[in-house]
Amino acid sequence: DSGVTQTPKHLITATGQRVTLRCSPRSGDLSVYWYQQSLDQGLQFLIQYYNGEERAKGNILERFSAQQFPDLHSELNLSSLELGDSALYFCASSVGTSGGPGQETQYFGPGTRLLVL
Amino acid sequence: GENVGLHLPTLSVQEGDNSIINCAYSNSASDYFIWYKQESGKGPQFIIDIRSNMDKRQGQRVTVLLNKTVKHLSLQIAATQPGDSAVYFCAENRRASNYQLIWGAGTKLIIKP
Repeated sequence: DSGVTQTPKHLITATGQRVTLRCSPRSGDLSVYWYQQSLDQGLQFLIQYYNGEERAKGNILERFSAQQFPDLHSELNLSSLELGDSALYFCASSVGTSGGPGQETQYFGPGTRLLVL
Repeated sequence: GENVGLHLPTLSVQEGDNSIINCAYSNSASDYFIWYKQESGKGPQFIIDIRSNMDKRQGQRVTVLLNKTVKHLSLQIAATQPGDSAVYFCAENRRASNYQLIWGAGTKLIIKP
């Protein structure tokens, strides 16, 4: 158990809909990252937050947005969903004290499996 | 473009043998590399990391080797066990990408009984 929690574990929805994925980082971690993993693919970095502020952006679509709240939990909002958005969405957290996320070990949650029909 | 890639998408190894998973990177400025293990239905799990000022690092049953001359990274797993079955990802820290981790495509390790 990494200490990172994600809800829900599974989500089935229809095209055009909007969903919100939730992540609670490990206790004490200030950085939260969101990743997308399509079937049998690697991880695609979406976005990173550090202590409530956006720190880095990856390949995140304009239909997607995220935020980190004062209690450090984070939400990833996916709107106008398309079939191709079906994937595993992972949240990871790290201590966040170093200058860059690539210098720290990231701890991953169990993921949310999204299926868009 | 530049990427971190894996030589073999699938690797089958006899139980008890050693496994070697390879990874190539193209950015010579990268200074931090990580190996993650992802079991089916689970999130990636940190295994071991190495910084560019080292060429070898050992953990419990795992060793990571870094060859900066040929930009090659490998993960060696000793005495492979059934529980080692997973997809293994290497990730590279690229300073040019604001220290984001760039992930390879993954190698699936299959353990034969």
